[in-house]
Amino acid sequence: EIVLTQSPGTLSLSPGERATLSCRASQSVTDSHLAWYQQKPGQAPRLLIYGASSRATGIPDRFSGSGSGTDFTLTISSLEPEDFAVYYCHQYGSTPRTFGQGTKVEIK
Amino acid sequence: EVQLVESGGGLVQPGGSLRLSCVASGFTFNSYWMYWVRQAPGKGLVWVARISTDGSSITYADSVKGRFTISRDDAKNTLYLQMNSLRAEDTAVYYCAKPGSNWALDYWGQGTLVTVSS
Repeated sequence: EIVLTQSPGTLSLSPGERATLSCRASQSVTDSHLAWYQQKPGQAPRLLIYGASSRATGIPDRFSGSGSGTDFTLTISSLEPEDFAVYYCHQYGSTPRTFGQGTKVEIK
Repeated sequence: EVQLVESGGGLVQPGGSLRLSCVASGFTFNSYWMYWVRQAPGKGLVWVARISTDGSSITYADSVKGRFTISRDDAKNTLYLQMNSLRAEDTAVYYCAKPGSNWALDYWGQGTLVTVSS
């Protein structure tokens, strides 16, 4: 099973700042099948990034993903008020599918 | 518009059973593998099970293997999760989810809460 470790656990930033979230895999993620999700309280997860770097439909270009192998990054170039949420990485290249434990982006 | 609507959650005693349903609309249900993912209160996301388009390939997380059964009825556009021998640690919101052409889960239902407690 591929274990995904996200860091930091919490990121305290102000609107307009840049957010950099990390996801490290215990072994290489097949074909960069790595996704990022945003989740707000009481809501279902929302797909932001798939294939490590492709934005899902309707996702603003301030969200970008990068990385390959075992190290992946989600970057939010300039935080908007609606971006404060929990973010999860997810590998879907091998079974069992696994998720990271999440990074909370909170208002400083 | 793609919609996934779960139902069937509730309060159940340890050792009991529940069947969750997920009714799909807005896409060709029988063309997609389907997934169940759960989230314990205040915790992260955990993949539970998946089923292939024709039901011939099914995979479970180790934590539910032998207790949960995923199935589908394409005539009713419905995904199911039969949960038996429920434990306190199965308490969670259960989401059904659909993958996109890229295999990432691109649509999720709103979730249904299962509480296992005496």
